[in-house]
Amino acid sequence: DQQVKQNSPSLSVQEGRISILNCDYTNSMFDYFLWYKKYPAEGPTFLISISSIKDKNEDGRFTVFLNKSAKHLSLHIVPSQPGDSAVYFCAASESNAGNMLTFGGGTRLMVKP
Amino acid sequence: DVKVTQSSRYLVKRTGEKVFLECVQDMDHENMFWYRQDPGLGLRLIYFSYDVKMKEKGDIPEGYSVSREKKERFSLILESASTNQTSMYLCASSPPVREQYFGPGTRLTVT
Repeated sequence: DQQVKQNSPSLSVQEGRISILNCDYTNSMFDYFLWYKKYPAEGPTFLISISSIKDKNEDGRFTVFLNKSAKHLSLHIVPSQPGDSAVYFCAASESNAGNMLTFGGGTRLMVKP
Repeated sequence: DVKVTQSSRYLVKRTGEKVFLECVQDMDHENMFWYRQDPGLGLRLIYFSYDVKMKEKGDIPEGYSVSREKKERFSLILESASTNQTSMYLCASSPPVREQYFGPGTRLTVT
């Protein structure tokens, strides 16, 4: 039973437009959420995170939104660039579980020039 | 700048072989993790370690074991490799805060 789900396996967006990647979770004990980006043949790299005490966190072109009541988070990339093409994983953790992360299945983003 | 290295990028082994995957981090992190990544399943935690000689099972520990004799090194061992262990293996390390830093991965093929 996946506690973190990314229901869209892939997403295609035109360069310059907004990319919205979605993630749902079921464990209400999760209180910290992260997004990782992964290029082929490389390890995932940390992108942005959000604590459950906030509903939005912004870093340059990347913004993460958290809707606790819906148990939903999303990553917005504006404007999208071809170099953003990668697989994006959302991950969640709970304070009482140390530093363990539970990952979603990933969404492959393709940004077309 | 955190660096996590893995001993091999690509590995091909035969069914029944014992396989060692090595991971080294240079940031004195307490926590180290081994994941496997399979299409559509994301990253699944195999084992983790929060200190030297300490280890805990993750979500899918069957068929694997680990060793952490030194703080900077965390080894994943496949006692008797099977074809369903063909996968991308990712090592990560982290300090007590949340972000984990990943190595480049080892693509293991078991034939």
